[in-house]
Amino acid sequence: EAGVTQFPSHSVIEKGQTVTLRCDPISGHDNLYWYRRVMGKEIKFLLHFVKESKQDESGMPNNRFLAERTGGTYSTLKVQPAELEDSGVYFCASSQVTGGWSPLHFGNGTRLTVT
Amino acid sequence: TQLLEQSPQFLSIQEGENLTVYCNSSSVFSSLQWYRQEPGEGPVLLVTVVTGGEVKKLKRLTFQFGDARKDSSLHITAAQPGDTGLYLCAAPRGGGFKTIFGAGTRLFVKA
Repeated sequence: EAGVTQFPSHSVIEKGQTVTLRCDPISGHDNLYWYRRVMGKEIKFLLHFVKESKQDESGMPNNRFLAERTGGTYSTLKVQPAELEDSGVYFCASSQVTGGWSPLHFGNGTRLTVT
Repeated sequence: TQLLEQSPQFLSIQEGENLTVYCNSSSVFSSLQWYRQEPGEGPVLLVTVVTGGEVKKLKRLTFQFGDARKDSSLHITAAQPGDTGLYLCAAPRGGGFKTIFGAGTRLFVKA
């Protein structure tokens, strides 16, 4: 079984530019999550999809962040325009269990550096 | 303020030593997970503990959930260089599907 894949693995952009991160969850996993770790801090929740629907986006920092999951398969997270404080590692995770909480399968993350 | 406090933040030991790392909270959790993360990779689930007082073993790793389900410990016996990594505790929160994480304990085992 292929794991959660994220692309790109690294991205370096200038302040004000746009970046789009992609996540392909494990096939058959309806739940898809985005998390972020900024330097020195804990991994923090950004949002949760069930299939193509956003279930919880309470962790999204502001309206510069837009997540989509068209068709309920892969997801994208766009940051526009990027700011210095957006630097960090963005993780995608998926889980299979519906109707309740379950542990997460993580991708290897995208390391975003905004200069 | 972090809901899950992990200690120590960093630990460097010699191969063959034993160690214990801790995850503490003032909140009660329905379950708690331990993940391990290696450089350039995402966290990988090691174990889930559910019942207060539960002890689970995974080879040389022993996980315990506190009786009150507010804290947990991870004990490693005879640590090996392959145990090097960032150990994270995590728990469900918010009544939904959200997971919260501690900041982690970074373990380095020297050969």
